[in-house]
Amino acid sequence: GAGVSQSPSNKVTEKGKDVELRCDPISGHTALYWYRQSLGQGLEFLIYFQGNSAPDKSGLPSDRFSAERTGGSVSTLTIQRTQQEDSAVYLCASSLDRGSEAFFGQGTRLTVV
Amino acid sequence: GIQVEQSPPDLILQEGANSTLRCNFSDSVNNLQWFHQNPWGQLINLFYIPSGTKQNGRLSATTVATERYSLLYISSSQTTDSGVYFCAVIGLTGGGNKLTFGTGTQLKVEL
Repeated sequence: GAGVSQSPSNKVTEKGKDVELRCDPISGHTALYWYRQSLGQGLEFLIYFQGNSAPDKSGLPSDRFSAERTGGSVSTLTIQRTQQEDSAVYLCASSLDRGSEAFFGQGTRLTVV
Repeated sequence: GIQVEQSPPDLILQEGANSTLRCNFSDSVNNLQWFHQNPWGQLINLFYIPSGTKQNGRLSATTVATERYSLLYISSSQTTDSGVYFCAVIGLTGGGNKLTFGTGTQLKVEL
């Protein structure tokens, strides 16, 4: 596609439910990043993929968070047993390779009630 | 890991004024980007500038990699320039897998 696409745009879920967030990177981009941004805050790194592998998972805040990438393309971020503090905008970015210019999607706004 | 500091944290301008935003980083980098986050939350790419100088319309940026800083210049500011400006880097060593963001400069341009 022309840009990074994320779905859904908005997600409201009940506390304790699992959610899946999807990211479609720019075609041909090997590097993919997940970040989250809480209201009025900066961007917090979650995980980095190079191809299908994740050499840097250092930002995942707990074992309730996991991510995978298949076919070197689409990535899903899964949050299990959601908590209210998980409410944030989750942003995905991709780049041709590590160190190249990164482009962000429009984000998924997650609200846990 | 690499540290990124931005200044000023907040800035209010009258329309038509010029401004300079600064980004300091603590290690050598192989990626430096400036983003504008608009009021709807979208991150817009302004510059990919690990070194050198670039210009795009009313905006220009300079990165002096040897001195570990970058500057973003906004000339003849407009109300649509309002939002948060982020600098982000990928360090060459230690923690070099991710874009590390500064805390941003919140810009408001008033009529």
